[in-house]
Amino acid sequence: GAVVSQHPSWVICKSGTSVKIECRSLDFQATTMFWYRQFPKQSLMLMATSNEGSKATYEQGVEKDKFLINHASLTLSTLTVTSAHPEDSSFYICSARNAGLPYEQYFGPGTRLTVT
Amino acid sequence: GENVEQHPSTLSVQEGDSAVIKCTYSDSASNYFPWYKQELGKRPQLIIDIRSNVGEKKDQRIAVTLNKTAKHFSLHITETQPEDSAVYFCAASDSNYQLIWGAGTKLIIKP
Repeated sequence: GAVVSQHPSWVICKSGTSVKIECRSLDFQATTMFWYRQFPKQSLMLMATSNEGSKATYEQGVEKDKFLINHASLTLSTLTVTSAHPEDSSFYICSARNAGLPYEQYFGPGTRLTVT
Repeated sequence: GENVEQHPSTLSVQEGDSAVIKCTYSDSASNYFPWYKQELGKRPQLIIDIRSNVGEKKDQRIAVTLNKTAKHFSLHITETQPEDSAVYFCAASDSNYQLIWGAGTKLIIKP
């Protein structure tokens, strides 16, 4: 149980275009989903927290108009990187949490984004 | 807010020896402390966790200890094997159940 999928696993896009990443909880209802960014050889950096049906809460320094997060259902959250630039190239990982087990976070496999 | 510090950043041990990674946290209200293992290009995998009402927890070759007074917790891996090579992250959960992450430790197991 507690499987989280993420799609796509990798994507290459041109500078100025937008990319959407999906995060799905496959066998549980994810009341909260977290989006992280991880640069090479660094720790996970929390970008935003999204609760189903409400607006995402962004961490300081993360542009909400650039990184659009939608958590429309209990099993799906999406992150859209708008007007991507090469510095947005990173490993993006989502995690999901079940309200019944507030401590555990289950991670998706990550999406490698490369902006050329 | 919570701050988590992790040491060392790199740890190299001989296969079969033990490895210890230490973390300190700042928020005394934190009450959940997981450890994750991340292999290159893959998702973090939870390997062990501990709640604040427990001082030690063990799962085969892996153990975690927690000192609430000193606000530090440690990961202990005994009889290390090549497949233990990875980056290990500690984390502490704040009052919003968000995970505050340590910087990571690259564990290298030498054959």
